[in-house]
Amino acid sequence: KQEVTQIPAALSVPEGENLVLNCSFTDSAIYNLQWFRQDPGKGLTSLLLIQSSQREQTSGRLNASLDKSSGRSTLYIAASQPGDSATYLCAVPQAAGNKLTFGGGTRVLVKP
Amino acid sequence: EAEVAQSPRYKITEKSQAVAFWCDPISGHATLYWYRQILGQGPELLVQFQDESVVDDSQLPKDRFSAERLKGVDSTLKIQPAELGDSAMYLCASSRAGGQPQHFGDGTRLSIL
Repeated sequence: KQEVTQIPAALSVPEGENLVLNCSFTDSAIYNLQWFRQDPGKGLTSLLLIQSSQREQTSGRLNASLDKSSGRSTLYIAASQPGDSATYLCAVPQAAGNKLTFGGGTRVLVKP
Repeated sequence: EAEVAQSPRYKITEKSQAVAFWCDPISGHATLYWYRQILGQGPELLVQFQDESVVDDSQLPKDRFSAERLKGVDSTLKIQPAELGDSAMYLCASSRAGGQPQHFGDGTRLSIL
């Protein structure tokens, strides 16, 4: 059974600092990996999706890397802003069409 | 792109009562998912539909939960009778097909008294 872990559970940084969020998974036979953002009381917004054949994916200040062999993904957010404060979740499906298994999330607070 | 619509946004009810949640996916999205998210945890899949057919309901407590997507478009998730442990956020998501990015609605926050 796939297990997804995100450490730390919470993170607080001053504005302008780079953020590094970690995601690990136990079964490396994944189809892709997706990073989401969740604001309090809201649904999930997809940030990046990395296919299993890719090593990284970039969108603006966000960069996500994937190392399947070690069962890890890292989300980097450059030059953090207070608006980046949210919970960030990673999720993996085992195969195309399969359900997503989510990590518990990392709650980020960027202080002005 | 259009959003996934869910209603109601909030629901407060007493235990033993029946509750129902509604989801309207993005037009053209064949796959629809219902997730339950307990506070401080990641979402867990309850049921997945491909068009009108259930493809995964292994984590759905079938003694009290039911879900349907009769015409392969919108969907309803029902709980009867509700229990205190059902308090959570219920999220609906849709995708064009399995394996494509999932798009989430804002969820229904359920509180059982």
